[in-house]
Amino acid sequence: AQSVTQLGSHVSVSEGALVLLRCNYSSSVPPYLFWYVQYPNQGLQLLLKYTSAATLVKGINGFEAEFKKSETSFHLTKPSAHMSDAAEYFCAVSVPPVRDDKIIFGKGTRLHILP
Amino acid sequence: DTGVSQDPRHKITKRGQNVTFRCDPISEHNRLYWYRQTLGQGPEFLTYFQNEAQLEKSRLLSDRFSAERPKGSFSTLEIQRTEQGDSAMYLCASSLLQGNEQYFGPGTRLTVT
Repeated sequence: AQSVTQLGSHVSVSEGALVLLRCNYSSSVPPYLFWYVQYPNQGLQLLLKYTSAATLVKGINGFEAEFKKSETSFHLTKPSAHMSDAAEYFCAVSVPPVRDDKIIFGKGTRLHILP
Repeated sequence: DTGVSQDPRHKITKRGQNVTFRCDPISEHNRLYWYRQTLGQGPEFLTYFQNEAQLEKSRLLSDRFSAERPKGSFSTLEIQRTEQGDSAMYLCASSLLQGNEQYFGPGTRLTVT
């Protein structure tokens, strides 16, 4: 079975500081990995995805994540936090190629940006 | 591209009542997914369709839940005899092809009193 574990349900960083949100995955086969962001009362928006190509994945809004197989990690980073980055972030995994491609989500990390 | 839409955005109902939610996917997307998100948790997969065929149902989807996608376009999710434990955000997503990005709607927040 596939799963993801997000370390820290809440993370606070100062505006302009580095953002680091941690995610570890478990999968019996090479996974697809995703980071989604959810703003209050809105649906999920895909930030970036890893699909077995380059291990360093660049996404929208200045975010990037690095797939590290040896560490089973897919941490999300952004060099300089902005107030608009305050939201809930979800790491997720799916297992291709299978008949279905449902996504398994982590429990989420709420990012707080301090002025 | 108008995105995935869901209706209603909010629903308050009394325990024991039936409710129905609608999802309109992005046009031409042939896959449609339903997820449930409870407070403090990530979304959990419920079921998905390829065109009008329902291909998988999660064990979370009890007999009180039923989903349809009659013409391979919009989908409905019905909950019969609602319970307080059904209170959650119900999210719909669609995608064009297997493995492609899933685009999420804004969700329907259900409160069962």
